Formats: sequence, C-alpha cells, structure tokens
Amino acid sequence: GAVVSQHPSWVICKSGTSVKIECRSLDFQATTMFWYRQFPKQSLMLMATSNEGSKATYEQGVEKDKFLINHASLTLSTLTVTSAHPEDSSFYICSRDRGGYQETQYFGPGTRLLVL
Amino acid sequence: AQTVTQSQPEMSVQEAETVTLSCTYDTSESDYYLFWYKQPPSRQMILVIRQEAYKQQNATENRFSVNFQKAAKSFSLKISDSQLGDAAMYFCAFVTQGAQKLVFGQGTRLTINP
Repeated sequence: GAVVSQHPSWVICKSGTSVKIECRSLDFQATTMFWYRQFPKQSLMLMATSNEGSKATYEQGVEKDKFLINHASLTLSTLTVTSAHPEDSSFYICSRDRGGYQETQYFGPGTRLLVL
Repeated sequence: AQTVTQSQPEMSVQEAETVTLSCTYDTSESDYYLFWYKQPPSRQMILVIRQEAYKQQNATENRFSVNFQKAAKSFSLKISDSQLGDAAMYFCAFVTQGAQKLVFGQGTRLTINP
C-alpha cells in the first residue's frame, strides 16, 4: 500500500493566489522529506529538502520565498506556492526515505497544479 | 559533478519479449546505491529495483534484473517477458555517501507492443 500521500491531487487556482500542498508519511516518522517538480516529459527536479523542526534546504535556483516549505511534524510536510503565476504550473511530487544516504526514497502520487 | 545519463529517450518491445534499458552514471564516490524507478501514466513513481554498489551480485526482482558494471559505471535494466503493464517512463537514479539526494537520469519511455 501507499506509504506517502499527497493532497490535493489536482488543483487549479488563479494567478496571484497561494496554494498549499500537503505530503504525509503514512508508515514512518520522517525527519526528512523531499519536494520535486516535474515538467511534462522531463525528469524530476529536486526543489528542496524538508527537515522536521528546522528550515528547509533549497536547491540552487529555487526561490525560497516563492516555495515555502514547512515540516512541522514527523509525518507532515507542506509546500506552499505563494503568489502563483502560470509558469508555476507543474507536477509537484514529494518523497521520504528512512534517513541515511543509502535509503530508498518512496514517492507520493503527486499534485498537478494549474495556475490560470 | 554527479550525473546520470540515459541515452535512450524511447524504447519499444513486443509483448513477452525482453528489453534492456541503458544507464551510465558519473561519481567519484565508491560507496553508493543505484535505483530504477518506473513512472506509469498515473505519474506515481514506483521503485523497480535497487543495487548496492559494494555488492558484485546483480540485483533481481522477478522479471526485472540489472547488469551492474561498477568499473564502467553502467547500470542497465533488463525486463524479461514484457507485459503491457510495463509501459512507463523509467528513471535511473543513484545516491552517494553523505548525500540523501537522489540524482536522476532523463528517463526512457518504454512502449509495449501487443
């Protein structure tokens, strides 16, 4: 069964509004979770590493103020796209491992965001 | 820089036949893990198989097996007895010691012809 869930699976919003995406680890208390972005027919691009109880670590080129990440509990990380614009439309995927470099990452089902 | 290269953007195979997807990677680390993930049309990323770099024996999972050549930094995926449900994007990835971040290849789209 699924070990990572995401909500919502599909969201449409108007330009200028903010959208929050939730990622839940269902079977493991994850101190670290990951947020990816995927454009059509492309690979996954890591946006940031979400750390429970501390600030997220963003990849180079990712706007921290645009993509706010909160990891307030060991089972929940949220990604908020602030003041969304059409170019933010994409597929957002979260994942978690069990800690440690060698651990397999398990992915959520993804969230499709369309900004009009 | 650590990179993963999948040189085949698209592959197709007849149902019930065997297909091999290629993957090469570049890292200066000696200790790492390699993965193949499948992304079907639903876009849910599914782990297919993983390989520990320190193990010489190639990993297998039912119809899926890998050919891991550490010196050549090659990690190909063989799918035997291809089924329609195998149609998907396949991503090769690895993670190295000291880093939790996966490095992904560009993906290979696999089509299964009935």
